[in-house]
Amino acid sequence: KQEVTQIPAALSVPEGENLVLNCSFTDSAIYNLQWFRQDPGKGLTSLLLIQSSQREQTSGRLNASLDKSSGRSTLYIAASQPGDSATYLCAVRYGTASKLTFGTGTRLQVTL
Amino acid sequence: KAGVTQTPRYLIKTRGQQVTLSCSPISGHRSVSWYQQTPGQGLQFLFEYFSETQRNKGNFPGRFSGRQFSNSRSEMNVSTLELGDSALYLCASSFSPYPQRNTGELFFGEGSRLTVL
Repeated sequence: KQEVTQIPAALSVPEGENLVLNCSFTDSAIYNLQWFRQDPGKGLTSLLLIQSSQREQTSGRLNASLDKSSGRSTLYIAASQPGDSATYLCAVRYGTASKLTFGTGTRLQVTL
Repeated sequence: KAGVTQTPRYLIKTRGQQVTLSCSPISGHRSVSWYQQTPGQGLQFLFEYFSETQRNKGNFPGRFSGRQFSNSRSEMNVSTLELGDSALYLCASSFSPYPQRNTGELFFGEGSRLTVL
């Protein structure tokens, strides 16, 4: 069964800290992996997309890495800000299937 | 460039009724997929449409159905509503379902929040 797990489920950090969110997947035959952000009651905002042939992607203060052999991806957020508070979801696209398999998310709170 | 537009944003129905939700993809995108999000089950895939054809379907009962029009706009319908159908329904669009033809990145709308009483 293709499962995606995110640990921790919730995280609280003070403003300015660097942090890492983890995503694990059971099947290494992924096509790509996408990180999303979701604010309460809102839709999903795409943050980064990593193709299976890539090791990492960067956008501003965000850096996502991918290690297919270990079935892991990490999202690194530098110099966290209160505006980063949201739920972060990773989603895996397996093979050529078009659907995404989502993790359960990490709820991040950045405090002043 | 407008994003994915979903209507209505909020709606309240009673058990046994039916509901239709609408999704307009990003201009130029031809693939539309639907997801259900609940606190207990998280995000689950409902179905995907491309060129007016359903390409893939998740593990949901037949009460859940959808369609896509020639302009790529999509609708999903839920008949005989149950309390457990209360959820945020999210629509996502991409240029093509074939990853070889594009990055495969999905873009989501704000969702339609359905409450069944």
